[in-house]
Amino acid sequence: SQKIEQNSEALNIQEGKTATLTCNYTNYSPAYLQWYRQDPGRGPVFLLLIRENEKEKRKERLKVTFDTTLKQSLFHITASQPADSATYLCALERSSNTGKLIFGQGTTLQVKP
Amino acid sequence: NAGVMQNPRHLVRRRGQEARLRCSPMKGHSHVYWYRQLPEEGLKFMVYLQKENIIDESGMPKERFSAEFPKEGPSILRIQQVVRGDSAAYFCASSPEAKPSYNEQFFGPGTRLTVL
Repeated sequence: SQKIEQNSEALNIQEGKTATLTCNYTNYSPAYLQWYRQDPGRGPVFLLLIRENEKEKRKERLKVTFDTTLKQSLFHITASQPADSATYLCALERSSNTGKLIFGQGTTLQVKP
Repeated sequence: NAGVMQNPRHLVRRRGQEARLRCSPMKGHSHVYWYRQLPEEGLKFMVYLQKENIIDESGMPKERFSAEFPKEGPSILRIQQVVRGDSAAYFCASSPEAKPSYNEQFFGPGTRLTVL
């Protein structure tokens, strides 16, 4: 069966360190992968999109990698800040191009000052 | 440019009643998606609509749930005869282009449905 897995355990790191979150998937051939941030009681907010033919994407302190051989994406936040504390969701769309996103369950990041 | 709007933000219903959730997409967006989020779970796709058309309803329960996106007005997610298991946060998202899969989806704040 098709699965998207994110680390369900919360990630606790010290301010200033790099946070690395993992998204693994099986039995998908995604056209692209997206990362969203969700704060408690709010809707997800888009952060980055990476296509299947791209290895890496950067935006300010954020970096996403996409390895279609390993079926894995890594999401990095460098120089983390307490304001980065949130739940981060990865989402895939299949190559069938339906517009429908399949989400992982999210990983909660806590950055301590 | 206002973001995606959803109302009500909180909705309480008793078992057997109907719930109507509304979503106004961002201006210029013609694609609407509904997702459900149960406590401690990820978002689950329910339905994808364009104006007056249902494109993909593969995530919608076969009974009691329906969705529409009329030519004028907001998209409506309707749940008939609600049960306690319907209690969840329901999020609407919209996207702007003819090929929405290559754009991010813009999410609303969600409607939190509680069934007593």
